[in-house]
Amino acid sequence: NAGVTQTPKFQVLKTGQSMTLQCAQDMNHNSMYWYRQDPGMGLRLIYYSASEGTTDKGEVPNGYNVSRLNKREFSLRLESAAPSQTSVYFCASSERDRNTEAFFGQGTRLTVV
Amino acid sequence: RKEVEQDPGPFNVPEGATVAFNCTYSNSASQSFFWYRQDCRKEPKLLMSVYSSGNEDGRFTAQLNRASQYISLLIRDSKLSDSATYLCVASGSNFGNEKLTFGTGTRLTIIP
Repeated sequence: NAGVTQTPKFQVLKTGQSMTLQCAQDMNHNSMYWYRQDPGMGLRLIYYSASEGTTDKGEVPNGYNVSRLNKREFSLRLESAAPSQTSVYFCASSERDRNTEAFFGQGTRLTVV
Repeated sequence: RKEVEQDPGPFNVPEGATVAFNCTYSNSASQSFFWYRQDCRKEPKLLMSVYSSGNEDGRFTAQLNRASQYISLLIRDSKLSDSATYLCVASGSNFGNEKLTFGTGTRLTIIP
């Protein structure tokens, strides 16, 4: 049972390079999220998608774009990576109903040099 | 001010002790609340949901106080395996779409 799958697990980028983080869930969830986690800052929401075809900005959207390709997949793109984007990125999914658990991928450790 | 605030700790407590964490949330429209556990270099996982009536799961008890907008987690008879970071989560409604907001987490270390 895969749950939420993120790729890649590790990535090193040079400043200015672009990349896309991939996320897929097999639980037929409506809602999907992208978070970044930094020491002392906790999990901060970058973007979320309540359903296929919709996306909304979270707390820290600058420098990122997202695409909800279909119900299963939600990708996060860094167009021009900056050292400040060095972080651990987590994708998550949940049902839209209240009191339902969010399931997380294993995370992507991104370093921008 | 962050929407969900927690004491970051660290809390270092001896094995067998009782430890309590509190968390406050600022969005009065928040409808659902949770505690997540995160082990070092792992993804967060649901520990328990928090209901207005309070709920208990073995050694863990969660309480919600809507009037004061705080959530608590009590761990009794702590075990070494309880060492982790505990994340408080509030689910806020944005035009009908639930958005999960996490606190910064409280780090707990159980000492043998």
